[in-house]
Amino acid sequence: ETGVTQSPTHLIKTRGQQVTLRCSSQSGHNTVSWYQQALGQGPQFIFQYYREEENGRGNFPPRFSGLQFPNYSSELNVNALELDDSALYLCASSLSRGAYNSPLHFGNGTRLTVT
Amino acid sequence: TQLLEQSPQFLSIQEGENLTVYCNSSSVFSSLQWYRQEPGEGPVLLVTVVTGGEVKKLKRLTFQFGDARKDSSLHITAAQPGDTGLYLCAGGSQGNLIFGKGTKLSVKP
Repeated sequence: ETGVTQSPTHLIKTRGQQVTLRCSSQSGHNTVSWYQQALGQGPQFIFQYYREEENGRGNFPPRFSGLQFPNYSSELNVNALELDDSALYLCASSLSRGAYNSPLHFGNGTRLTVT
Repeated sequence: TQLLEQSPQFLSIQEGENLTVYCNSSSVFSSLQWYRQEPGEGPVLLVTVVTGGEVKKLKRLTFQFGDARKDSSLHITAAQPGDTGLYLCAGGSQGNLIFGKGTKLSVKP
């Protein structure tokens, strides 16, 4: 069973640029959630995708957008990068979108640094 | 707005000691989860508690959910260096989990 994989592992961008982060969900999982974890903080929910549609969004501006593909992999896009966007971006997959007994499986994240 | 506050923020102990970390909220949660996160890795689920007053054990780790489902605790008996990591509590619906800031535990040999 292949776990959640994220790419790239590290990325350095300049303020104002755009970035795309990628996530392959665990085999058999149809739901993908994205979280932002700033240094010294817990993860914060960005949004969730279920069957290629956005299924919930946290308190993040529209320049954070996403996609889910037919194979359930996902992308997180961030436009007009700001210094505060520097964080660990975590992707998590699950079997269903809401059940507490369908645990989230996290990838190891992409460390984004904006200079 | 639902918030989860964890305490202490940092904890450094010697191998063999016992410890308890806390997760508190003013809001009721239908369930709470505990995760452990090691440097350079994503969080890994340890346990989910659902029923008020529930106690779950995972080897040397004991998790308790408060009767009012607003708080939870994690107790570790005879801590080992392998227990070192960031312990996060989280609540809310599965796709939109609210996380606390975590307790960073360091167990020294």
